[in-house]
Amino acid sequence: GESVGLHLPTLSVQEGDNSIINCAYSNSASDYFIWYKQESGKGPQFIIDIRSNMDKRQGQRVTVLLNKTVKHLSLQIAATQPGDSAVYFCAENSNFGNEKLTFGTGTRLTIIP
Amino acid sequence: GAGVSQSPSNKVTEKGKDVELRCDPISGHTALYWYRQSLGQGLEFLIYFQGNSAPDKSGLPSDRFSAERTGGSVSTLTIQRTQQEDSAVYLCASSIDRDSREQFFGPGTRLTVL
Repeated sequence: GESVGLHLPTLSVQEGDNSIINCAYSNSASDYFIWYKQESGKGPQFIIDIRSNMDKRQGQRVTVLLNKTVKHLSLQIAATQPGDSAVYFCAENSNFGNEKLTFGTGTRLTIIP
Repeated sequence: GAGVSQSPSNKVTEKGKDVELRCDPISGHTALYWYRQSLGQGLEFLIYFQGNSAPDKSGLPSDRFSAERTGGSVSTLTIQRTQQEDSAVYLCASSIDRDSREQFFGPGTRLTVL
């Protein structure tokens, strides 16, 4: 069945370094992917998204890479800051018009000052 | 407010009681979603409303769960005869329309069933 999984449940990174969070998905029909950041006690916050016709998309300090061949998604955060500490979820959708998302279990990113 | 709001923020109830959780989506957003997040887990889809179309209820875990959306705006998620396994954070999200894939989430309601 559909599943979205993460390789690492926790990640600690020194402040100022770059971080990479990985995600694997199993549904070949997935055509939209999104990364969310969730801070403690808050709802998920949109970070960046990518459609399946793209391999890479950049935002402010963040880059998402999509490898459809191996069904792998990654989120790169450059020059990490203490405020980047949170749980990061990848999610996918494969049914345009009903945008219910299938979420992974999340990676907890901790930035070490 | 500009964002999605949910109430209450916390709800503690006894097993067997009914609870109602409320979601106020962003004004003008026609799509509304409910998700459930168990401790340390990702989000699990529950139900989706889009305009006046019939809701997609495929994620509701049992017939004890139901949801309504009145006037295309506010939504209420009702859980009848609550069980301890219903304890979770219930998140609501909205998006501007069915063609917009970016969902904006509320802060969630933390439900604890004793």
